[in-house]
Amino acid sequence: DTGVSQDPRHKITKRGQNVTFRCDPISEHNRLYWYRQTLGQGPEFLTYFQNEAQLEKSRLLSDRFSAERPKGSFSTLEIQRTEQGDSAMYLCASSSQGAYEQYFGPGTRLTVT
Amino acid sequence: AQSVTQPDIHITVSEGASLELRCNYSYGATPYLFWYVQSPGQGLQLLLKYFSGDTLVQGIKGFEAEFKRSQSSFNLRKPSVHWSDAAEYFCAVGAGRDDKIIFGKGTRLHILP
Repeated sequence: DTGVSQDPRHKITKRGQNVTFRCDPISEHNRLYWYRQTLGQGPEFLTYFQNEAQLEKSRLLSDRFSAERPKGSFSTLEIQRTEQGDSAMYLCASSSQGAYEQYFGPGTRLTVT
Repeated sequence: AQSVTQPDIHITVSEGASLELRCNYSYGATPYLFWYVQSPGQGLQLLLKYFSGDTLVQGIKGFEAEFKRSQSSFNLRKPSVHWSDAAEYFCAVGAGRDDKIIFGKGTRLHILP
């Protein structure tokens, strides 16, 4: 068990560019979650998947955000036309179905200049 | 809707002293409660969780928490803190298995030598 991994760990981009982040969950976990954490705040839920199905999306997830989990394993989170307000830590977590607790990756810190 | 309040933004204690971090939650049914710890630039590590049963739960790194339904609280305690405990601590509530987690804004713990 290597834990949840995320790539890249840091991303600096210019406003208006598109960025994509990847999350690899713990291998036997079929639930995968994305959260966003801004400075001085706790993580806020964005969306989650059970296998390849996206089951819930927060209203924080604007039209510029899209998440996929095409084969029920890794997931990607894409932000189009980035804005400075998108600067945050993007956290991925996974859990096994029927479990209560989620296990988090190290996060991807996005800075939009 | 669920919510979590952590009334203390910062707490400073001396190394070797006892610690209590406060957490109050709002949820209509029996909540699923968690404490996570986040070191600078890192993801979140699960310290402990409460689902049912004994209201005093033990976690990793010598932490414990007590669920008090009458006070809607789930305070985190440690009898003697170590310098390595300096981090940000998040209390969180989940609606159930497989569900998203709602986090508080966190309490930053500082340790005096």
